[in-house]
Amino acid sequence: GENVEQHPSTLSVQEGDSAVIKCTYSDSASNYFPWYKQELGKGPQLIIDIRSNVGEKKDQRIAVTLNKTAKHFSLHITETQPEDSAVYFCAAGLGGTSYGKLTFGQGTILTVHP
Amino acid sequence: SAVISQKPSRDICQRGTSLTIQCQVDSQVTMMFWYRQQPGQSLTLIATANQGSEATYESGFVIDKFPISRPNLTFSTLTVSNMSPEDSSIYLCSGTGDLASSQYFGPGTRLLVL
Repeated sequence: GENVEQHPSTLSVQEGDSAVIKCTYSDSASNYFPWYKQELGKGPQLIIDIRSNVGEKKDQRIAVTLNKTAKHFSLHITETQPEDSAVYFCAAGLGGTSYGKLTFGQGTILTVHP
Repeated sequence: SAVISQKPSRDICQRGTSLTIQCQVDSQVTMMFWYRQQPGQSLTLIATANQGSEATYESGFVIDKFPISRPNLTFSTLTVSNMSPEDSSIYLCSGTGDLASSQYFGPGTRLLVL
């Protein structure tokens, strides 16, 4: 089955700096790559997602890049703010009969210091 | 985007009892899923909730322990049966539409089994 590795497990940055979280996946048939932000006591909040027919997607301070050949994708947060502090999860999803099933990375605890 | 609610938000239960968790989506979705998130861990898929038919379970999860219903396109229930302390986790439901849709999560149900 699919396996998703996420790095780093913790990331500490100063307010205004950029943060980058990287994930690799094993199944070349995966075609959907969402990123979720989870704050303490809350459910995962979708912040951005990308499909395999796109190499990059941006939404204000957040961007995701996908390299299908290398089977890795990354989350980039620019101009970080203290409210960006949370746990971030990447995931990979298949199509076909496994459509919608997500395999998650281990998570990254992001701390943004004022 | 779909808005997903869950009830109860949290519960404390005695071992040997069962708890049913409800998941409601504000719009029709094609696929609904149930995930488990153990304390400090990532999300693991329990099963796909199929409308009008038996759920499809992932390896390590069985219907007798986690019976699931999905009577229509916007509602599903997960029962955690004959609970033990090892079942203490966050249980999350998610939903997605067609192949081009994003996947959203509910706020989770925090379960503590004593």
